[in-house]
Amino acid sequence: KQEVTQIPAALSVPEGENLVLNCSFTDSAIYNLQWFRQDPGKGLTSLLLIQSSQREQTSGRLNASLDKSSGRSTLYIAASQPGDSATYLCAVLDTGRRALTFGSGTRLQVQP
Amino acid sequence: DAGVIQSPRHEVTEMGQEVTLRCKPISGHNSLFWYRQTMMRGLELLIYFNNNVPIDDSGMPEDRFSAKMPNASFSTLKIQPSEPRDSAVYFCASSVSVGFGHNEQFFGPGTRLTVL
Repeated sequence: KQEVTQIPAALSVPEGENLVLNCSFTDSAIYNLQWFRQDPGKGLTSLLLIQSSQREQTSGRLNASLDKSSGRSTLYIAASQPGDSATYLCAVLDTGRRALTFGSGTRLQVQP
Repeated sequence: DAGVIQSPRHEVTEMGQEVTLRCKPISGHNSLFWYRQTMMRGLELLIYFNNNVPIDDSGMPEDRFSAKMPNASFSTLKIQPSEPRDSAVYFCASSVSVGFGHNEQFFGPGTRLTVL
């Protein structure tokens, strides 16, 4: 059974800092990996999707990498802003089950 | 595009009552997913449909839960009878299936269910 772990569970940084969020998964037989953002009391917003054949994806100040063989992904946020404060969720799509398995998230607070 | 639409956004009901949650996927998407989010268990898949057919319902907690997708633009998740432990946020998501996988999943705003 696929298990997804995200560390740290919570992170507080001053504005302007570059930061890295980590995601690890136990079964490398994945189709893709998706990073989401969730604001308190809100739904999930898709940030980046990395196919299993890709190494990284970039969108603005966000860069996500994937190392399928080691079961790891990182989300890099450059020049963090208070508006980046949210919970970031990592999810993998198994080739077998064909459904997303989510990590428990990293709650980010960017201090102005 | 309006995105994935869910209704109601909030539902408060009493134990034993029937609850029906509704979802309209993004037009053109052929896969639809129901997830549940709780503090204790995080986000979990309940069931997903491909081309209106249920493919994996192994996440449905018990027989009190049922889901239907009568057409490509509408799905329901029903709980009968509801119990306090069903209190959670229920999300609907949709995507375009590609071969044996799916492209990016897009989530609705969720329905916050409280069962008293």
